[in-house]
Formats: sequence, C-alpha cells, structure tokens
Amino acid sequence: EAQVTQNPRYLITVTGKKLTVTCSQNMNHEYMSWYRQDPGLGLRQIYYSMNVEVTDKGDVPEGYKVSRKEKRNFPLILESPSPNQTSLYFCASSLRLFLTDTQYFGPGTRLTVL
Amino acid sequence: DQQVKQNSPSLSVQEGRISILNCDYTNSMFDYFLWYKKYPAEGPTFLISISSIKDKNEDGRFTVFLNKSAKHLSLHIVPSQPGDSAVYFCASQTGANNLFFGTGTRLTVIP
Repeated sequence: EAQVTQNPRYLITVTGKKLTVTCSQNMNHEYMSWYRQDPGLGLRQIYYSMNVEVTDKGDVPEGYKVSRKEKRNFPLILESPSPNQTSLYFCASSLRLFLTDTQYFGPGTRLTVL
Repeated sequence: DQQVKQNSPSLSVQEGRISILNCDYTNSMFDYFLWYKKYPAEGPTFLISISSIKDKNEDGRFTVFLNKSAKHLSLHIVPSQPGDSAVYFCASQTGANNLFFGTGTRLTVIP
C-alpha cells in the first residue's frame, strides 16, 4: 500500500531535550516536505526536499533541522525543543514538485513540549 | 502574511443540501489551486484541483470554481453527506514552487 508513515504519532517532551520525528514514504517520490498545523494558522511549511541531499527552508524553519540521506526518509529534528513548537506535524511527499503532482500526507505527529 | 485565506472557520449544512466553502488568495502568480480534506487523526488528502486556465472543474459531487479577477475560489459539494464532515483546506501553487495553505474550514453535515 502506497503511504507516508510518521513516528511517533504522539510525543510529550520537555524543553531542550533533542528529538527526531521520522518520516518515510514507499512511493519513490522525489519531493518531501514537513508542515506544522496550528489553530487559526493552517498548514505552514517548515522544510522541504527536492531530492536526496537537497533540502531548503520553508516558511517557518527556525528551530528545526532536516536531512535527506535516502530518498524514502526525511526526518525532522528538533535540537532544543521549546513550548512554541508544540503543534501537529505532517510529513508529505509527491513524485516531483510539478503542478499536477499530488502531495500525499502522513497521519500526523502531535508534539507537546513542556 | 497569509497568502491564502479561508475566512469561515466553520460551516454547518443539512444533509442533502449544498455546501459552499470559500477561499481567497492574494498572489496573482498562483496558477494552480487545490482542495484537501482532513478527518481527525489523519493527514490531509487531496480532493480536487483546478488550473488557472479554467474557471470550473467537476468531479462527482465536488465542483471547484475559480474567479481569477476576484482572486477567489470556492468548493461546492452537492448533495452534502454526513461523511463529508471534515476540515477542508484550500491551497495554491505557482510553477514549481511550494504549496500555500489556507487556515481551513470545518464542515459539519447534519443528518
């Protein structure tokens, strides 16, 4: 089954404790991205990757890192999480970034930083 | 600054009636528009899209209308069904650039 998976689905952590949220897709997609969803703000892009070893900042990259060492994986790293990073996070992938390439989203990771 | 806006955070509609969800955008360079649907505890899923060269695209019960001069698009669902209850996001894109999402509208279809 074609899908985007994220782990963990739920995470409660404390300020400053490094964490990684994994994202994996099995569709051989070139393009992957991370979004955060906050009430009243919709989905905002954090980072994206056009292909292996090619990453770039989205709209709200501060406090986050990513890496794309393999085509299928695109982990999101919070080196020193803060309470304002409490949010619902979505990973997405698409074949490329052409207009007609549908983005497929993972199920989301709800992160709480205390 | 929000480039894609959904000014109605919520909408309630009776089953069988029409649901109309609205979206406004500010960037005249946007040339592709999409609607995503999101159920609780799931990621958004693609619903329907429209290119800027068209003013209407239809897929079953779902129709998207685009008014470029007003920078406005809308999603019509006819007839509405309880299973349509979800949060709907509109999104816009230009060229090979990233998607910009609206804030979402929560649709409730009342049986």
